[in-house]
Amino acid sequence: NAGVTQTPKFRVLKTGQSMTLLCAQDMNHEYMYWYRQDPGMGLRLIHYSVGEGTTAKGEVPDGYNVSRLKKQNFLLGLESAAPSQTSVYFCASSYAAPNQPQHFGDGTRLSIL
Amino acid sequence: TQLLEQSPQFLSIQEGENLTVYCNSSSVFSSLQWYRQEPGEGPVLLVTVVTGGEVKKLKRLTFQFGDARKDSSLHITAAQPGDTGLYLCAGERTGGFKTIFGAGTRLFVKA
Repeated sequence: NAGVTQTPKFRVLKTGQSMTLLCAQDMNHEYMYWYRQDPGMGLRLIHYSVGEGTTAKGEVPDGYNVSRLKKQNFLLGLESAAPSQTSVYFCASSYAAPNQPQHFGDGTRLSIL
Repeated sequence: TQLLEQSPQFLSIQEGENLTVYCNSSSVFSSLQWYRQEPGEGPVLLVTVVTGGEVKKLKRLTFQFGDARKDSSLHITAAQPGDTGLYLCAGERTGGFKTIFGAGTRLFVKA
């Protein structure tokens, strides 16, 4: 039972490069989320999706884009990476109902040089 | 602006001690969740509290939701090294579904 799987686990980029972080869930969850976690700041929501084909901005969306072409996958893109985007990125998913817990992947550690 | 303030930020205690960590806000939440996160892993849900004044127990962990649904506490009795980790509270705001996370309390229990 995989749950939420994130790839890659680690990546180092140079400033200006682009990349896509992949998230896949096998729990048939409607909602999916992308967060970044920085020391002392907790988890901050970047973008989220309430269903296949839909996306919406979270708290810190600038510099990121997302797509949800299939229900089980949620992709996070960095078009032109900046050092300020160095962080640990977490994907999560949940059922489409109030007060439902989020299930998290193990994160992607991204460093931008 | 951190809508959910957690305190203390860091806590280092000896095995067997009791501790309480707090999660406070000026906003009302329809529910509040506590997660624990270990190094190199994502947060894992411990409990969800929904009703103001609700108390839930999970073995040595006791969770309380404030009467006004603006704050919560987590009490650990007789802490063990296995309790070491980052404890995050997360609130779901009334009328919405987006969850707001606190910055966390990092707990270290020494054997």
